[in-house]
Amino acid sequence: QTVVTQEASLTVSPGGTVTLTCASSTGAVTRNHYPSWFQQKPGQSPRALIYSTVNRYSWTPARVSGSLLGGKAALTLSDVQPEDEAEYYCLLFYSGARVFGPGTQVTVL
Amino acid sequence: QVQLVESGGGVVQPGRSLRLSCTASGFTFSSYAMHWVRQAPGKGLEWVAVISYDGSKKDYAEPVKGRFIISRDNSKNTLYLQLDRLTNDDTAEYYCARESGSPAGLDYWGQGTRVTLSS
Repeated sequence: QTVVTQEASLTVSPGGTVTLTCASSTGAVTRNHYPSWFQQKPGQSPRALIYSTVNRYSWTPARVSGSLLGGKAALTLSDVQPEDEAEYYCLLFYSGARVFGPGTQVTVL
Repeated sequence: QVQLVESGGGVVQPGRSLRLSCTASGFTFSSYAMHWVRQAPGKGLEWVAVISYDGSKKDYAEPVKGRFIISRDNSKNTLYLQLDRLTNDDTAEYYCARESGSPAGLDYWGQGTRVTLSS
């Protein structure tokens, strides 16, 4: 059973920068996992932010970026705004199946 | 604009069945793979199943293999999820999502439909 892991929670100050990571129990996360990232606020459906590791959607702010970092997928939020407070999920592709991480709660304080 | 509207959720007894629907509009439905994702109350997202644009290829998460069936009717712009032999662990909000750009790129999501198991 493949397990994807993320930080449980992170706190960042307004205007600061925070990096979330996404690791796989099968080894290093690579571009072949097509890492994607989603934001979810309470009572709302998830919103896509990043696909295929680094690609933004038309609605994704430029201060949101994706990368690979030390064998993990990473999501960096720069110049953090109060509205960035949310749960963030990564999703990895495993030759057919997809697996979500457990989510990272980002608090802006 | 792209719209995905789920329906069919409700309260159901363990062991019974339910069929969820997802009606798409605002894009060429028959050109996109589609997914179901669920979220138990207070929990994280769980990927459930995917179906290719033409319905020829399907994949499932282990917890639902053999119990859930994903299908689609491109003439009706509708995605389905047949849920059989339901258990309490299947209580969740069920979302449909469109795949675009990559196998894990779920760009548009519906508002969800709630399935609640109760005896």
